[in-house]
Amino acid sequence: TQLLEQSPQFLSIQEGENLTVYCNSSSVFSSLQWYRQEPGEGPVLLVTVVTGGEVKKLKRLTFQFGDARKDSSLHITAAQPGDTGLYLCAGVVGGAQKLVFGQGTRLTINP
Amino acid sequence: GAVVSQHPSRVICKSGTSVKIECRSLDFQATTMFWYRQFPKQSLMLMATSNEGSKATYEQGVEKDKFLINHASLTLSTLTVTSAHPEDSSFYICSARGLDRYTQYFGPGTRLTVL
Repeated sequence: TQLLEQSPQFLSIQEGENLTVYCNSSSVFSSLQWYRQEPGEGPVLLVTVVTGGEVKKLKRLTFQFGDARKDSSLHITAAQPGDTGLYLCAGVVGGAQKLVFGQGTRLTINP
Repeated sequence: GAVVSQHPSRVICKSGTSVKIECRSLDFQATTMFWYRQFPKQSLMLMATSNEGSKATYEQGVEKDKFLINHASLTLSTLTVTSAHPEDSSFYICSARGLDRYTQYFGPGTRLTVL
């Protein structure tokens, strides 16, 4: 059973369009992180959200943590080819503060 | 800041041999490091939690005698894949938790290929 359901798993859109990636769970997380991973490299942290209802912006990327701290979304405005990559959400669980990853969203932005 | 390195970046070995992968936090001390495995087109799966000066905690289904973890200092954890088999071929990634108890910083990964 996947603790974190990430959707869509694949998304291919044209440059300039907007998109939203969702990360949902029935579990409550103390915090949630979004990463971007390029092929053959480790994940790079984009943002950490901690407080329910929190919204963080990183240039054209907007991250939101659900009020109940069970879900999160990543919205990209005016997508560019440089945004192409694998986006991963990960929730922090347990006293050991382990990360549980979603399946990932493979995003392709076509010029 | 918060840079994590891994060595080697790629390794090819024969079946039955052992391979050691190093994970270092370069500019911060990490009392806890994590080891993940990622198969092609899949997400990261946690293998074990490595705590400095104590035994690692393994996730269910991960053989502790096969994947030996040593966290000898606050900046270094090692993963040794013993008696490697082709099915152990994967992308191994470590992470280190810094002062912020919520955030893990990931290394660049090690591609292991067992022939």
